[in-house]
Amino acid sequence: ILNVEQSPQSLHVQEGDSTNFTCSFPSSNFYALHWYRWETAKSPEALFVMTLNGDEKKKGRISATLNTKEGYSYLYIKGSQPEDSATYLCASFYNQGGKLIFGQGTELSVKP
Amino acid sequence: NAGVTQTPKFQVLKTGQSMTLQCAQDMNHNSMYWYRQDPGMGLRLIYYSASEGTTDKGEVPNGYNVSRLNKREFSLRLESAAPSQTSVYFCASSDPLHEQYFGPGTRLTVT
Repeated sequence: ILNVEQSPQSLHVQEGDSTNFTCSFPSSNFYALHWYRWETAKSPEALFVMTLNGDEKKKGRISATLNTKEGYSYLYIKGSQPEDSATYLCASFYNQGGKLIFGQGTELSVKP
Repeated sequence: NAGVTQTPKFQVLKTGQSMTLQCAQDMNHNSMYWYRQDPGMGLRLIYYSASEGTTDKGEVPNGYNVSRLNKREFSLRLESAAPSQTSVYFCASSDPLHEQYFGPGTRLTVT
């Protein structure tokens, strides 16, 4: 059974703080790692898709890194803003199966 | 370009009733998925269709059936609804190995 773990489960920060979350996944037969941003009462939206060991991706104040050998990815948010409040999901895709395995998410709350 | 659409948006069923959730995508994606969202459990895959004409079970398929009607449409059927199926249901589509695009969700309550 493939299991994707995210930590922490929830995070409360002040506006302007920088923060990061972790996603751990089985590295055997790994193909890709996805990060999604999910605001309350909306649908998840993709942030990044990464495949190569050492990949780094950036979108505005949000960036992500990938280590496929040890099976983890970090998501960083620099200078958090209240509009960054959301649940951040990671999901891994394997060479067998054709489906994403989602973690349970990290719920971020940014207070003004 | 509507992306992924789902109907209905809300539904209340009585235990034992049946219903079909509809999903359609206009992005010419090969793969389509049905998830359910429950508090504290993230997204759990019910069924998926890697390409037209194929369907496979996900993590929580019991109590559900699916039909990949054509490349655009993927429906989810509850034959005999149970209170444990109260949830928010999301449909998604993607090209294989690429990011998934999600529909707006269907909020289902089974009493």
